[in-house]
Amino acid sequence: NAGVTQTPKFRVLKTGQSMTLLCAQDMNHEYMYWYRQDPGMGLRLIHYSVGEGTTAKGEVPDGYNVSRLKKQNFLLGLESAAPSQTSVYFCASSYPNRVYEQYFGPGTRLTVT
Amino acid sequence: AQSVTQLGSHVSVSEGALVLLRCNYSSSVPPYLFWYVQYPNQGLQLLLKYTSAATLVKGINGFEAEFKKSETSFHLTKPSAHMSDAAEYFCAVSDRNAGKSTFGDGTTLTVKP
Repeated sequence: NAGVTQTPKFRVLKTGQSMTLLCAQDMNHEYMYWYRQDPGMGLRLIHYSVGEGTTAKGEVPDGYNVSRLKKQNFLLGLESAAPSQTSVYFCASSYPNRVYEQYFGPGTRLTVT
Repeated sequence: AQSVTQLGSHVSVSEGALVLLRCNYSSSVPPYLFWYVQYPNQGLQLLLKYTSAATLVKGINGFEAEFKKSETSFHLTKPSAHMSDAAEYFCAVSDRNAGKSTFGDGTTLTVKP
């Protein structure tokens, strides 16, 4: 059981470049989440998904898009990266009736110059 | 709407001393509440959770928290701090129906020898 994995672990982008972060889970969880973590600001929810083919906006969705084509994968896309998107990105997953028990990936550290 | 306030972004205790990390929440519906711990360069790990059963909740590593509805609090305690407890701790609240969680800004716990 790998749990929740994230690819890549580190990335440096120039302003205006695009990229996709991949999250995969092997626990058959219905719910998946993308958060960003900035110093002194805790975790903020970007987008989430309550099932394959469905996504919803979280607290800070602007500048990001997501897709959940397969139950086990949740992709986070940055179409035109900005320095304000420099952050650590965490993916998480959970069962629908245990949303408090989220399993987190190790994070992706993204720097936009 | 739901929110979480963690009082004190940094807490320092001596090894063997009581640990008290404060969390107050706001929620329009009966909440789920939980504490997560994050060690350096790692994702978050669930420490304990409150889901409307017993108000005193015990978690891993000797931590516990008490849900006090009248005070809208969910403070985290441990009777005797250990060096390995040094980490960042996040309090979070979840609307049990919506599948979304809101995290506090985090409290960094330092344990002095």
